[in-house]
Amino acid sequence: TQLLEQSPQFLSIQEGENLTVYCNSSSVFSSLQWYRQEPGEGPVLLVTVVTGGEVKKLKRLTFQFGDARKDSSLHITAAQTGDTGLYLCAVIQGAQKLVFGQGTRLTINP
Amino acid sequence: GAVVSQHPSWVICKSGTSVKIECRSLDFQATTMFWYRQFPKQSLMLMATSNEGSKATYEQGVEKDKFLINHASLTLSTLTVTSAHPEDSSFYICRVPPVRQPANEQYFGPGTRLTVT
Repeated sequence: TQLLEQSPQFLSIQEGENLTVYCNSSSVFSSLQWYRQEPGEGPVLLVTVVTGGEVKKLKRLTFQFGDARKDSSLHITAAQTGDTGLYLCAVIQGAQKLVFGQGTRLTINP
Repeated sequence: GAVVSQHPSWVICKSGTSVKIECRSLDFQATTMFWYRQFPKQSLMLMATSNEGSKATYEQGVEKDKFLINHASLTLSTLTVTSAHPEDSSFYICRVPPVRQPANEQYFGPGTRLTVT
């Protein structure tokens, strides 16, 4: 079973629309990270959330950590074509292991 | 500048041959490094933990005799794909954990694209 379940796995929307990506687990985490990855490159850290209920904003991206620290969401407002990419949630599992969710492949159409 | 480098950035090899991929930590020493594999349109899957001075630890389902890991020094880990087959074609990325806590910033190599023909 997957430690982190991301949904949807694929999402294609028009420029200007809003969207939300979810990252769920049955486990409790001390922190959770979101990454964005472009084809042929390593993932780039977007944000780390550490407190239950925490909300962090990064321009048009809003990240929320669930109250119970088991889940997280990423909301993008007024999506742009430059937002296209693979979005990954990830958690540290003992001994510095960073484990990723299945990812959400986002395509923003002009 | 880059904190982690990988070499080569891409490689094409014939089925049955072995390929070595290097991961270098450029800014600091790393007693531990991590190797990931990513198939097209999929997420990064942790393969193994590379430990300086001791054997690598492999994730469940990863063949240790096929994916040889050597942590040669505090700045270099190598992943050798032995007797490569087309199904081993993938994007391989290494990661060096941060030296300071809290461990927020993670350092990834640029990745190596392996194509086995």
